[in-house]
Amino acid sequence: GAGVSQSPSNKVTEKGKDVELRCDPISGHTALYWYRQSLGQGLEFLIYFQGNSAPDKSGLPSDRFSAERTGGSVSTLTIQRTQQEDSAVYLCASSLGGPFGAEAFFGQGTRLTVV
Amino acid sequence: AQKVTQAQTEISVVEKEDVTLDCVYETRDTTYYLFWYKQPPSGELVFLIRRNSFDEQNEISGRYSWNFQKSTSSFNFTITASQVVDSAVYFCALSEARNAGNNRKLIWGLGTSLAVNP
Repeated sequence: GAGVSQSPSNKVTEKGKDVELRCDPISGHTALYWYRQSLGQGLEFLIYFQGNSAPDKSGLPSDRFSAERTGGSVSTLTIQRTQQEDSAVYLCASSLGGPFGAEAFFGQGTRLTVV
Repeated sequence: AQKVTQAQTEISVVEKEDVTLDCVYETRDTTYYLFWYKQPPSGELVFLIRRNSFDEQNEISGRYSWNFQKSTSSFNFTITASQVVDSAVYFCALSEARNAGNNRKLIWGLGTSLAVNP
């Protein structure tokens, strides 16, 4: 597609339920990031995929969070047993990757509300 | 360690004023890239500029200009004659070339919220 696509755009879930957030990066982009942005806060890095390399998971806040990227394209972020503090906007971005800095293109995010 | 600091949390100006958003970074590398992004109220982050560490020339794009100073590790962003549509959160970010491959990622500042009032 023309840009990074995220779905759903909004998700309301009950505490304790699992949720899956999807990201469709720009075709050809080898790098994919997940970030979390709480209300009025900056970007919190969660996980980074680059090509076929093992992902950098150093930003995942707990073992309830996991992500995968299938076929080097679509990525799914899964939050198990959601808690109220998981409520935030989850942003996905993709870039060309490579040895030098390439700008990241962001999706519009998924607003997650845990009630 | 890599770090990006945007000391100004919030700035409020009146339309037509000039405003400068500060960004200070820390890195041990000689090769790196710096970025500015805009996040309007709609939420989607929009890329504004990328600058590599070997190019210290200032850049101007319309009412936007950027001042890159390696001596002070700063990459400041100025909006001239601000407009209400400039109201947004602006983020500065750093990408290090040495992290090419498995651990390369953008390091973000916490953002500066700019309000331009009519």
